[in-house]
Amino acid sequence: DTGVSQNPRHKITKRGQNVTFRCDPISEHNRLYWYRQTLGQGPEFLTYFQNEAQLEKSRLLSDRFSAERPKGSFSTLEIQRTEQGDSAMYLCASSPPGLSPLHFGNGTRLTVT
Amino acid sequence: QKEVEQNSGPLSVPEGAIASLNCTYSDRGSQSFFWYRQYSGKSPELIMSIYSNGDKEDGRFTAQLNKASQYVSLLIRDSQPSDSATYLCAFYAGGTSYGKLTFGQGTILTVHP
Repeated sequence: DTGVSQNPRHKITKRGQNVTFRCDPISEHNRLYWYRQTLGQGPEFLTYFQNEAQLEKSRLLSDRFSAERPKGSFSTLEIQRTEQGDSAMYLCASSPPGLSPLHFGNGTRLTVT
Repeated sequence: QKEVEQNSGPLSVPEGAIASLNCTYSDRGSQSFFWYRQYSGKSPELIMSIYSNGDKEDGRFTAQLNKASQYVSLLIRDSQPSDSATYLCAFYAGGTSYGKLTFGQGTILTVHP
């Protein structure tokens, strides 16, 4: 069990650029989640996958955000045309089936200048 | 009405005291409740899970769940300075959002020597 791995750890980009983050879940976990967290707030749900199927996506999520999980393994989260309001910590987590606790990666901190 | 609310902080307790953290939720169909601890700049880590009404104890931590009153609490006995962190409650919603783990905004706990 090597834990959930996220890359990169930090990303600084200019407004209007596209960014992509990667998450490698714990190998035996079939669920994968993306959250966004800003200072002083709890993690905000973005989307989750069960195997390769994206089962739910936050209604608050702009269509500039897209996530994929090809073959039910790693996942990518892409943000197009970044805005300063996208600056946050992006957390990935995975879990086994059922109502199990999530195991989080170290996060990717995005700064949009 | 917010899906989940945690007692406002920050909460400050002296070393050795009991820290009490509370969380209320609005969805009566909610199942599987968790408490996470998050140190500044780090990702959340699981400290307690509770699935049924009553108390669950693990070392210095006790989680209490009351589904009728829709609240879950966390007691930390013999608080230590190393317990200083943000504590997040989380739960799985019922209904169509089955599989989505929702977090509260967090309560900052400071344990002073």
